[in-house]
Amino acid sequence: GAVVSQHPSWVICKSGTSVKIECRSLDFQATTMFWYRQFPKQSLMLMATSNEGSKATYEQGVEKDKFLINHASLTLSTLTVTSAHPEDSSFYICSATRANSPLHFGNGTRLTVT
Amino acid sequence: QQQVKQSPQSLIVQKGGISIINCAYENTAFDYFPWYQQFPGKGPALLIAIRPDVSEKKEGRFTISFNKSAKQFSLHIMDSQPGDSATYFCAASKGAGSYQLTFGKGTKLSVIP
Repeated sequence: GAVVSQHPSWVICKSGTSVKIECRSLDFQATTMFWYRQFPKQSLMLMATSNEGSKATYEQGVEKDKFLINHASLTLSTLTVTSAHPEDSSFYICSATRANSPLHFGNGTRLTVT
Repeated sequence: QQQVKQSPQSLIVQKGGISIINCAYENTAFDYFPWYQQFPGKGPALLIAIRPDVSEKKEGRFTISFNKSAKQFSLHIMDSQPGDSATYFCAASKGAGSYQLTFGKGTKLSVIP
């Protein structure tokens, strides 16, 4: 089956630094990738939709300058949390899809900002 | 406005019993309804999904029941096992080929021996 790989699985960074999270579709070309954020014991909240070669579409309330998304190829999307602060600590999950196929999720990245 | 309402928030079922999780949606444009299973520290995994043109879909021990007129759908897990203990999310999306999902708040299922 389709596999979506997310890296790193966890990261700890200091306040004010930037962190990059990678999302790769390993055995298919993903026309669209999605980035979610999940707080403990809560649901997934869509942050942005990313289409290869074009700018990401951000959900209301998500700061595009803080959460930079790059979808440079059909198999790779990156999320960069810029100038991270403790309130950005969360579980970030990506998902990927191609036309007429179900959505596949990565295993998530646990970000802790100290 | 919460577009997909899920209940219960938590559920305890004995091994061998039936687990039932319910979801209700508001947007009649939704036309794809998947269920995801999530273990702690992992991403969600697709369990089973249904479209509005059928009222029921079964895959192994998992069954989705769909009531279009009531705008409700449910997940039934037959012969529940301790390994089924996880958080389950229902979701919905609209538009042909669109997988921009709106998730329910999740149900934590615990199956006790």
